[in-house]
Amino acid sequence: DTGVSQDPRHKITKRGQNVTFRCDPISEHNRLYWYRQTLGQGPEFLTYFQNEAQLEKSRLLSDRFSAERPKGSFSTLEIQRTEQGDSAMYLCASSWETSRNEQFFGPGTRLTVL
Amino acid sequence: AQTVTQSQPEMSVQEAETVTLSCTYDTSESDYYLFWYKQPPSRQMILVIRQEAYKQQNATENRFSVNFQKAAKSFSLKISDSQLGDAAMYFCAYRRGSEKLVFGKGTKLTVNP
Repeated sequence: DTGVSQDPRHKITKRGQNVTFRCDPISEHNRLYWYRQTLGQGPEFLTYFQNEAQLEKSRLLSDRFSAERPKGSFSTLEIQRTEQGDSAMYLCASSWETSRNEQFFGPGTRLTVL
Repeated sequence: AQTVTQSQPEMSVQEAETVTLSCTYDTSESDYYLFWYKQPPSRQMILVIRQEAYKQQNATENRFSVNFQKAAKSFSLKISDSQLGDAAMYFCAYRRGSEKLVFGKGTKLTVNP
């Protein structure tokens, strides 16, 4: 399978715990994006990388959120001290950097904070 | 900031009929891309159709076509000969260059047999 993969697919955690999600993009893609989707809403941009450089972060990304893409391949999104409002689907997408290229989405990680 | 508005939270269509989903957007840019994405229940988002703002011709992909009105900042999706597999959430999205996508809230499409 050469699509975007995300792990885990589902995560249930208790409030105050830390969680980490992983995204593996399509191998030849140098851009990687994170979005968050809450129930009944469209995805909202969180951050994106070109290779290992984080180029933009949304103001939605509070200090409790951190994302990395250490070798320009897979990426991790960590949420510290989770809150119930963090419950959402976290989507990863990848693309080539040229403007014409579409973003391919992964299946998402559904986070539930109890 | 760019915004995308989908005014129809839900739509329904009979199988084999035609349905149009509406989308408006706001931007001060002249060069951008518009997209319709489909998100089936519990499945990942896939691209349905794309429109480059500099192109006057409306994009078409098989049964899917758009009506792009740049001056009115309107971008509707027409699905012809609707099929049961078309049932999904449909999101309209805007993108400037190769940057982030800005999505609308989505329209849930139900296809009745």
